[in-house]
Amino acid sequence: EADIYQTPRYLVIGTGKKITLECSQTMGHDKMYWYQQDPGMELHLIHYSYGVNSTEKGDLSSESTVSRIRTEHFPLTLESARPSHTSQYLCASSEPTGRAQDEQYFGPGTRLTVT
Amino acid sequence: KNQVEQSPQSLIILEGKNCTLQCNYTVSPFSNLRWYKQDTGRGPVSLTIMTFSENTKSNGRYTATLDADTKQSSLHITASQLSDSASYICVVSDRGSTLGRLYFGRGTQLTVWP
Repeated sequence: EADIYQTPRYLVIGTGKKITLECSQTMGHDKMYWYQQDPGMELHLIHYSYGVNSTEKGDLSSESTVSRIRTEHFPLTLESARPSHTSQYLCASSEPTGRAQDEQYFGPGTRLTVT
Repeated sequence: KNQVEQSPQSLIILEGKNCTLQCNYTVSPFSNLRWYKQDTGRGPVSLTIMTFSENTKSNGRYTATLDADTKQSSLHITASQLSDSASYICVVSDRGSTLGRLYFGRGTQLTVWP
């Protein structure tokens, strides 16, 4: 099983609150990713990082922001949560092989509900 | 447009029976195809990965096939167990970017009944 962790696993929060979803990996992977997944739907890439101080937006527009100050840590922040942000957020990392077909390892996910 | 389509959307089988899940894709240029298993409330876990030159790959009771000419893949599960109940996701990677861009299907929700 991959050594990638996400906290919290479940979060219920009111509209307008600021939240940070944590993601950490102990595998020394350079590349890290955040995906958003709604029930019965495909995963959508919202942010990725090639390494420290590198962050890029993914295919799905998101009001969240990310940072990568340390290799092992890739937190996602929502400054003002809204009900439309209710979803499952999955963090992943991949090995620094330099190949396009890097294997991605996923964390257990954070189920976010904004009331 | 690069897409990954899976069928059926959901499937119910009895414990011990076999089943086959389908995946069709239009991703180009093709790099590799993976099948992931995602338990409810968990992240996806890789089952198999196949490149262009591979047409079959096994992992225990899971056997994946790939036809790169017709852009189709299947995942065959033999002698199903209750623990096989999960969503099975087909993921295709392209060769067009250094990111290793992944295209996800919506998954087939498999339920195994005792």
